[in-house]
Amino acid sequence: SSELTQPPSVSVSPGQTARITCSGDALSKQYTNWYQQKPGQAPVLVIYKDIKRPSGIPERFSGSSSGTTVTLTISGVQAEDEADYYCQSGVSSGPYYVLFGGGTKLTVL
Amino acid sequence: QVQLVQSGSELKKPGASVKVSCKASGYSFTRHSMSWVRQAPGQGLEWMGWINTNTGNSNYAPGFTGRFVFSLDTSVSTAYLQISSLKAEDTAVYYCAREESQMGARDYWGQGTLVTVSS
Repeated sequence: SSELTQPPSVSVSPGQTARITCSGDALSKQYTNWYQQKPGQAPVLVIYKDIKRPSGIPERFSGSSSGTTVTLTISGVQAEDEADYYCQSGVSSGPYYVLFGGGTKLTVL
Repeated sequence: QVQLVQSGSELKKPGASVKVSCKASGYSFTRHSMSWVRQAPGQGLEWMGWINTNTGNSNYAPGFTGRFVFSLDTSVSTAYLQISSLKAEDTAVYYCAREESQMGARDYWGQGTLVTVSS
């Protein structure tokens, strides 16, 4: 199916590790990107092509992939990391189109 | 530095049309396609499609055909989203986002334009 599934919410304490998963059949064939969105702001790309970090993104953000599940890991979570996170991949059966997951609200306790 | 600056908020009545602009600066406009993304109030991101800024060809996502049109004015490095026959459910923030083909991702985003459709 052409859907990406994320948990609605994840909560962690400061300094702990947050893991946000994204699953879907498309992920076994296409790269995944991750975006961070804080309230009232535009999304920001934090991981591309499953594991790569754009310049300016802290090293505590990392990505991994296994089959039809990808994971965004934030190590040593800080209060400023509280945001919505969206995975994104592509579907190429027919005309190519971009697919976003439903988003995960990361709460820093 | 790369910037995408969008036009301001719009309040429209059902049935009207709206045109949102996205002015790019800091890079060669025709070297990167432009995507449009919708975010309804309290909801997630929804990709609407993209326009090839070199050829002007557009690819619309399912659900965004017919009333939605992407266009360009390359002389002023600006992309446009026009929505016709507006409905209440079109109320959303609309973002433009630059496509970076090397990354396979949207690497720069506009600040968003809120379109409110209400009688």
